[in-house]
This record gives sequence, C-alpha cells and structure tokens, in this order.
Amino acid sequence: DQQVKQNSPSLSVQEGRISILNCDYTNSMFDYFLWYKKYPAEGPTFLISISSIKDKNEDGRFTVFLNKSAKHLSLHIVPSQPGDSAVYFCAASLGLGGANNLFFGTGTRLTVIP
Amino acid sequence: GAVVSQHPSRVICKSGTSVKIECRSLDFQATTMFWYRQFPKQSLMLMATSNEGSKATYEQGVEKDKFLINHASLTLSTLTVTSAHPEDSSFYICSARDWAENYGYTFGSGTRLTVV
Repeated sequence: DQQVKQNSPSLSVQEGRISILNCDYTNSMFDYFLWYKKYPAEGPTFLISISSIKDKNEDGRFTVFLNKSAKHLSLHIVPSQPGDSAVYFCAASLGLGGANNLFFGTGTRLTVIP
Repeated sequence: GAVVSQHPSRVICKSGTSVKIECRSLDFQATTMFWYRQFPKQSLMLMATSNEGSKATYEQGVEKDKFLINHASLTLSTLTVTSAHPEDSSFYICSARDWAENYGYTFGSGTRLTVV
C-alpha cells in the first residue's frame, strides 16, 4: 500500500523556469515531510523539509508547500538549473519518535533543459 | 553535517553465497538505522529497522532469516544477504538519524548487489 504517491514519473523544464514537483499522501497521521534528490546508484540527498504545523518552507531556490486538508505537498525550484536534473523523492514520517522510518513516494525524474 | 558511510558500493556474488553490507555513522551515534531496498524505477521500500543492542524490526514480507541485520554498536549496522539468489539483486540503502540535527535522516551512498 503506497501511502506516499508521486503521480508524475517525469518532468521536463526549460532552464530558468520554475519546476513544480507534486506529492500526495493518504495517511493523515504523517506530520513531517521531506524532499530528497537522488542520482542513479547513489543514496538520496536531503533537500528541504516541512513540519505539518507549517504550510510553507523556503531554502534558497527550493520552496516546499504543504496543504494538509488536501494531503498534498509540492516542491518548487526556481530558477531551475541543469544541475537540478535528477530523481526527486518526497517522503513522510509519523511523529518524532526515533524509530519512525520514512515512507517514500515513487519519485519524479526532473530534466532541466539548457 | 552528519555522514553515513555504506560499504561496499557495488558487489557481484554467485548464487548461494552470502554478502555483508556495512553501514556506519561517521561522526554521530545512531541508535536506530533503517535499511531500504530499491528496485529499478521504483520507490525506496523499507526492509527493516535496526536497533542498537536489540533485534531488528522487519517489515511485512521481508524474510528475517534471509536478511540478517546486526546493530552491535552505536555506529555500525550490517545487513547480510544469506544464500543470495538473482532475485535479491537490487540497490540497498541504509539510513541513520542524527539527534544533534533536528529530525535529520542521513543516507548512505547505497550498495548495488548483483547475484549471478
């Protein structure tokens, strides 16, 4: 049962434009959300996160928006750069307990066209 | 920042043999580590939660006798794939949490296992 979903397997964006990656979840108990960037044969690299008590978190070119009522979050990258091309995973966690693992989406492959 | 070292990065083994994958937290102590598996073009699926000094907690459908997890110290967890078969070929990734960094999950670089 996939509790975190990324319905777009791929996205192509022109350099300099905005990239918007979407993520939906089904479990209303998730209270912390993260975005990771991943290259083939490498581990995920943390990008940005957001707590369920917030609806927006910004870090440089990356902004994550959370809509709890819709159980939806999105990652905005602006301006997009060719180096942003990778697979992006959203992930969710249940509570602050140390043993709580991450539930991952299926990933979206972003291609930024120079 | 926190660093998790995973070794080896790539391994090829024969069917029936066992392979050990190590996951080390280099500059922090991790009482809990997680082992994930990723099939091509699919999500990272949690296999088990490794707890220092106690038995690992396995996810449904993961054979604990096949995927042996040992977390003997606060900086090292190992995953041993026993009697490997070609269907065990996959990308395995470990993760650890650094309590010094708020809610930080740090991932290893992954291990590509190919069973021939």
